[in-house]
Amino acid sequence: EAGVAQSPRYKIIEKRQSVAFWCNPISGHATLYWYQQILGQGPKLLIQFQNNGVVDDSQLPKDRFSAERLKGVDSTLKIQPAKLEDSAVYLCASSSTWGADGYTFGSGTRLTVV
Amino acid sequence: GENVEQHPSTLSVQEGDSAVIKCTYSDSASNYFPWYKQELGKRPQLIIDIRSNVGEKKDQRIAVTLNKTAKHFSLHITETQPEDSAVYFCAASKGAGSYQLTFGKGTKLSVIP
Repeated sequence: EAGVAQSPRYKIIEKRQSVAFWCNPISGHATLYWYQQILGQGPKLLIQFQNNGVVDDSQLPKDRFSAERLKGVDSTLKIQPAKLEDSAVYLCASSSTWGADGYTFGSGTRLTVV
Repeated sequence: GENVEQHPSTLSVQEGDSAVIKCTYSDSASNYFPWYKQELGKRPQLIIDIRSNVGEKKDQRIAVTLNKTAKHFSLHITETQPEDSAVYFCAASKGAGSYQLTFGKGTKLSVIP
């Protein structure tokens, strides 16, 4: 079974620039999550999708972050404009609709904002 | 919202000794508690989980206990090995088809050969 695919693995941008991350979940997984992991901390949920609908985006800084999952499969997370404090690893995870037999996380995108 | 506290933040043990990491949660509606292991630069990997209808679960050298009344759960690793060295995260979720996870801040475990 293929895992959760994310790209790019690394990204360095200057503050105020924009950046986008891509995630392709495990085939058949209806639920997709984006987490932000700042160095030395646990992951924090940014947004959860169920198929192509948003379940929860209460912790997404909507003035600069946006995410979409148009066809209910892969997803894109965008930051515009980036701030220094956005430097983090952005993890995508997926799970089947009702089973929580563990999330499967992708390898993440490490973003550095300079 | 849910708040998960994790202790200690760092833990050093001799190879072969046991390691215990403790977490408390605030929301009594939480009913699913996974533990993740994260090696440097890698993705979090689920190592064990427990649901609120179970008090203890064991998988070889790893065990998790849950005390719903006190709202705390613990990870126990016996006969530690150098490859157990990593950062461990506890998390809590209300389940019910959502499974949004609230993570603790992590424990860096070092197993000294």
